Amino acid sequence: QVHLEESGGVLVKPGGSLRLSCAASGFPFGEHYMTWFRQAPGKGLEWVASIDTRGRILDYADAVKGRFTLSRDNAENSLFLQMNSLRAEDTGIYYCARGRYCGTVTCYTGAEYFQHWGRGTLVAVSS
Amino acid sequence: DIVVTQSPLSLPVTPGEPASISCRSSQSLLYSNGYNSVSWYLQKPGQSPQLLIYLASHRASGVPDRFSGSDSGTDFTLKISRVEAEDVGVYYCMQTLQTPYTFGQGTRLEIK
Repeated sequence: QVHLEESGGVLVKPGGSLRLSCAASGFPFGEHYMTWFRQAPGKGLEWVASIDTRGRILDYADAVKGRFTLSRDNAENSLFLQMNSLRAEDTGIYYCARGRYCGTVTCYTGAEYFQHWGRGTLVAVSS
Repeated sequence: DIVVTQSPLSLPVTPGEPASISCRSSQSLLYSNGYNSVSWYLQKPGQSPQLLIYLASHRASGVPDRFSGSDSGTDFTLKISRVEAEDVGVYYCMQTLQTPYTFGQGTRLEIK
């Protein structure tokens, strides 16, 4: 059974840093792309960043580029989001989601979609 | 960036009645494999999003067959044949043709 569990969300002051983690289980983590999304209070969903199976970054949202760093540790089945220079507008729930399968032999080459999401972790940026 | 415009933003529905939500993309979302790169999600109150439809018209595993997706050019539609009380929440369409992946504004479905 696929399980994603985010952690690391806390109250932090503007300009501060935070590292979010996403612990994965129930599937071959190292064979799936991974993505972070976020949702500001009372607002819609926003894509943040995606990473491929080898740790190569697909892209970051412009709003976080240069401040956030996405990484993964396949040996530990974990995804990370290092968040620096935090702003009030970074406040929200951060979700990790499992992306496309790309193993050593086969790779899903269709359009991306996200069947599995974590429950999210709340980041609050406020003085 | 690809803009996805969703409508309506609010959708009151009587149980047992059909419902329809539309998304329009600012450009073609046709992927290289011939399918449109659109997926639909439902976020129930207090929960994380759940996948309903992928590749515009493919129902995700475990999703009731009263949910269906269709496409016509840059217009995409999610239909619920007979709304049930458990369908309450916010529905989002999302494009994944290119980054930044973008969502529609969301449609809040409520029961009359």
